[in-house]
Amino acid sequence: GEDVEQSLFLSVREGDSSVINCTYTDSSSTYLYWYKQEPGAGLQLLTYIFSNMDMKQDQRLTVLLNKKDKHLSLRIADTQTGDSAIYFCAESTSGTYKYIFGTGTRLKVLA
Amino acid sequence: DAGITQSPRHKVTETGTPVTLRCHQTENHRYMYWYRQDPGHGLRLIHYSYGVKDTDKGEVSDGYSVSRSKTEDFLLTLESATSSQTSVYFCAISDPSQLSSYNEQFFGPGTRLTVL
Repeated sequence: GEDVEQSLFLSVREGDSSVINCTYTDSSSTYLYWYKQEPGAGLQLLTYIFSNMDMKQDQRLTVLLNKKDKHLSLRIADTQTGDSAIYFCAESTSGTYKYIFGTGTRLKVLA
Repeated sequence: DAGITQSPRHKVTETGTPVTLRCHQTENHRYMYWYRQDPGHGLRLIHYSYGVKDTDKGEVSDGYSVSRSKTEDFLLTLESATSSQTSVYFCAISDPSQLSSYNEQFFGPGTRLTVL
C-alpha cells in the first residue's frame, strides 16, 4: 500500500539551514504537503506543492520535489528556535478523501 | 484558523468504560476524519465521513465506532476502552470539491486520552 517515510529526528544550530526529507510511494499523488505541529497543538499546513512542480519557495521555506525518485524535501533557511516542532510530510490525490501522513520529523533548534 | 473544536481536550478513564469524543466544525466541510497520533507512527486514520450518516473505516478502526448525524458534528466512540487506545486523537476536515482548494486538511487541537 501507499507509504510515506521520514527520519524521526533532526537537530540544527540556530541560524543554520534545516533540511527535512521525505519519500513516498504513491505515484498518483496530486499534492504533497508539509505540516507543522507545535507542542500541544494540532497540525497546521506550512506549505504544499503540486506534483507537476519541481520547486516552490515561500520566504524562508523551499520545497523540492523529485518525482522520479518520489522524494520531497523541506529546507528552512536561517532556522530559529521558534521552528522547533514536528514536521509531517503528507500526500493526497485530487478529489479524494485520502491523505497519507509520514511519521513526522522532530526538529530541535539549538541556541 | 478553521473553526474546529474538540471536546473534551483531556480525559482519563478506566479500562472497559465507554468514551465518546466530539468534533465540531463551523466550516461546512464535507469530509471529517478521526486520527490517532502515537510516537513513531505519525497519524493513523481511524474513521472518516464523507457526508451526514456516511462513514467508512480507516486503517486502525478496530475498537472504534463513529457517527455523523449533522454536517458539523463527528463523534468517535470507544465502546470499551483499552490501554492500547491511550493516545492523542485529532479531528480534521476537508472539502475536495472546493475549486480553490489544494485539498488541504484542517486540524482540531486534539484530545489527549489516557486509559488506565
